[in-house]
Amino acid sequence: DVKVTQSSRYLVKRTGEKVFLECVQDMDHENMFWYRQDPGLGLRLIYFSYDVKMKEKGDIPEGYSVSREKKERFSLILESASTNQTSMYLCASSTLGQWNSLNTEAFFGQGTRLTVV
Amino acid sequence: GQSLEQPSEVTAVEGAIVQINCTYQTSGFYGLSWYQQHDGGAPTFLSYNGLDGLEETGRFSSFLSRSDSYGYLLLQELQMKDSASYFCAVPSGNTGKLIFGQGTTLQVKP
Repeated sequence: DVKVTQSSRYLVKRTGEKVFLECVQDMDHENMFWYRQDPGLGLRLIYFSYDVKMKEKGDIPEGYSVSREKKERFSLILESASTNQTSMYLCASSTLGQWNSLNTEAFFGQGTRLTVV
Repeated sequence: GQSLEQPSEVTAVEGAIVQINCTYQTSGFYGLSWYQQHDGGAPTFLSYNGLDGLEETGRFSSFLSRSDSYGYLLLQELQMKDSASYFCAVPSGNTGKLIFGQGTTLQVKP
């Protein structure tokens, strides 16, 4: 059974703290994604990685950074957490090869609900 | 840039048919996907259209018209468990970056 695992389901942090959200996939996927989900705004892409140490900015990268030192792990970092970063964070992965085939399935983790107080 | 437009909410009754539309604007096009997300759950893949036409998977079908930059998800014989949010998504660029629409909340009533 394919699996994307996020380290925490719920997290409460203080304003100004450095926050690490971890995501691990066991499918040997090249692509990994971090999204945030807010009511009425859908899934907004923060960062995307298509290979180890490679990354691309998504639509809302400000205030975030990422790290991909190993293929299976993709970390989202909030350098100095702010209350407007309170949200649901979703990690996903997919294979690169699928984009040219009939199946472009991305697999999601269960999400981390982050509250910044 | 890229953008996807979907209706924010749709309501239908059990047993009915509902269509959720998605229009997109992308630089380069590699196909349109649909995902379902139940309250409190993770999005899960439903279907993909790489070519024009209809793809059927059980009660769900998805359609794509590349000339119109338009697709839809068709849900037949609606069941209460189909109440969920539905997202269309497109890969952006040739690295596989995946962009989602804002989602359509489907409420199925008895």
